Amino acid sequence: DQQVKQNSPSLSVQEGRISILNCDYTNSMFDYFLWYKKYPAEGPTFLISISSIKDKNEDGRFTVFLNKSAKHLSLHIVPSQPGDSAVYFCAASEGGNKLVFGAGTILRVKS
Amino acid sequence: NAGVTQTPKFQVLKTGQSMTLQCAQDMNHEYMSWYRQDPGMGLRLIHYSVGAGITDQGEVPNGYNVSRSTTEDFPLRLLSAAPSQTSVYFCASSFTESTEAFFGQGTRLTVV
Repeated sequence: DQQVKQNSPSLSVQEGRISILNCDYTNSMFDYFLWYKKYPAEGPTFLISISSIKDKNEDGRFTVFLNKSAKHLSLHIVPSQPGDSAVYFCAASEGGNKLVFGAGTILRVKS
Repeated sequence: NAGVTQTPKFQVLKTGQSMTLQCAQDMNHEYMSWYRQDPGMGLRLIHYSVGAGITDQGEVPNGYNVSRSTTEDFPLRLLSAAPSQTSVYFCASSFTESTEAFFGQGTRLTVV
């Protein structure tokens, strides 16, 4: 049973517009959430994280929102750029670096 | 600063062969882990270590062994390779348990 789900396998967005990537989780013990970005033939690279004590964290064009009651988090990218085209993984942990990953969402930003 | 280095990048094994995937980090991170990524799935944790001499199992440990004799190195051993172990393997490290993990570039393993 998947504890972290990314229900959209892919997303296509026009350059300059907002990209919204979604993630749902089932384990209420998760207290730390992360987003990773992955290009082909490379390892995942850390993008942004959020602790369960917060509901929002911003870093430049990237904002992560956490809704604990709905067990849902989302990543907003504004404005989207062609270089943002990649696979985005949502991950969660109960503490420690034992991460549980979603299956990923392929983001394509069209110029 | 090399970060997390994995070798080899590609490997083909025959069923039943053994091999070791190497992972080294130069960031003095205590936490290291191994994940595998299969098509249509997220990364799954194989084994992890919270410091030299300490290792534990993750979600999918069967068929793999690890050891952590130094802070820098965390090799993953396949004891008797099976086609089900065909995957891309990623090693990761982090400074503490609540900081982001840094990943290596991956090893693509094919077992025939």
